[in-house]
Amino acid sequence: RKEVEQDPGPFNVPEGATVAFNCTYSNSASQSFFWYRQDCRKEPKLLMSVYSSGNEDGRFTAQLNRASQYISLLIRDSKLSDSATYLCVVNPYSSASKIIFGSGTRLSIRP
Amino acid sequence: DVKVTQSSRYLVKRTGEKVFLECVQDMDHENMFWYRQDPGLGLRLIYFSYDVKMKEKGDIPEGYSVSREKKERFSLILESASTNQTSMYLCASRGIGATGREAFFGQGTRLTVV
Repeated sequence: RKEVEQDPGPFNVPEGATVAFNCTYSNSASQSFFWYRQDCRKEPKLLMSVYSSGNEDGRFTAQLNRASQYISLLIRDSKLSDSATYLCVVNPYSSASKIIFGSGTRLSIRP
Repeated sequence: DVKVTQSSRYLVKRTGEKVFLECVQDMDHENMFWYRQDPGLGLRLIYFSYDVKMKEKGDIPEGYSVSREKKERFSLILESASTNQTSMYLCASRGIGATGREAFFGQGTRLTVV
């Protein structure tokens, strides 16, 4: 079983729609969780960290479910510029060393 | 502005050549990483380093080695390049502690082995 698993998509949704992705992780001792965004032919960049209590940043909401070992990303009122690949990232140890990426979920927003 | 710089954007090498990919960061980060990214497989960790001269294998270390002689520089070495090592290689660095949790990436090196 992969340490971090994501639905690869693609998710193809109309502008203005709400879309949600999940990501599951296998190591119950994982401490830190993140969502990264990667545009075509670019390097990944941090979108947001995921906190135990959940967090929101504008149209983006991230949540953590430790019992079921998954994190989620919700995008409301999607924009054309949200088209990208969204990568789930897990730091499986208590120290800030190894970080594991999911294979990414591709999102395409259509006009 | 934080920066992770990879020495080349594009490289073409021949099978059997020894290949060096260099990565430099200017953020005084303890942790540095080498990933390769292939369609449908996402980013796979090759090696990482948490301190000078310290290294740990990632998920796919076979055919690769690394060197970290200075804190700011992390090199990936393909001992004898093969065509299945054709890929996009991404270097990242990351600090430690509550304030150093974001990983910053270089722009990537697209390596083609012919």
